[in-house]
Amino acid sequence: AQSVTQLGSHVSVSEGALVLLRCNYSSSVPPYLFWYVQYPNQGLQLLLKYTTGATLVKGINGFEAEFKKSETSFHLTKPSAHMSDAAEDVCAVRKQGTGFQKLVFGTGTRLLVSP
Amino acid sequence: GAGVSQSPSNKVTEKGKDVELRCDPISGHTALYWYRQSLGQGLEFLIYFQGNSAPDKSGLPSDRFSAERTGGSVSTLTIQRTQQEDSAVYLCASSFKLLGTLAGTDTQYFGPGTRLTVL
Repeated sequence: AQSVTQLGSHVSVSEGALVLLRCNYSSSVPPYLFWYVQYPNQGLQLLLKYTTGATLVKGINGFEAEFKKSETSFHLTKPSAHMSDAAEDVCAVRKQGTGFQKLVFGTGTRLLVSP
Repeated sequence: GAGVSQSPSNKVTEKGKDVELRCDPISGHTALYWYRQSLGQGLEFLIYFQGNSAPDKSGLPSDRFSAERTGGSVSTLTIQRTQQEDSAVYLCASSFKLLGTLAGTDTQYFGPGTRLTVL
């Protein structure tokens, strides 16, 4: 069975500092990987995803993530945090294969950005 | 309506009552998903529709939960004889798979959710 682990329910950074949100997965086959973000008073929206090809993927608002198979990780980064980045970020994994495969979500990390 | 909409946004009910939650997916999206998020937990998959059929109901937690989708569009999640442990945020998502793309790579678009509180 697949699973996703997000270390740290809360991560606090100062404006302008590096953002690093950790996501590790467990899957019997190489998965597809997703980061979703939920800004205050908004629904979940896709930040970025890895399916095939380049392992470093870029998303909206300057975020990027790198799929590292050897580390079973898909950490989310941004070089310089902005106040508007404060949100709940959720990592998810989906098994590759024919037919329907469900998304399995982590428990989320709340990113707090201070001035 | 550009996005997925859900109603009601909040529902408070008494234990033992039945509730219906509604989801309006993005027009043209063939796939529809229901999830729930209990306090302190990650999103939990409940059911998946492709068109009007539900090939995967594996996430429904008990036979008190059922869902239907009509006309390939609106879906209703029904919880009968609600229990306090049913209290959660129920999220709906929809997606559309482009021809030629890999299965499972489609982006799911989420609604704002329905917060259900069972007293």
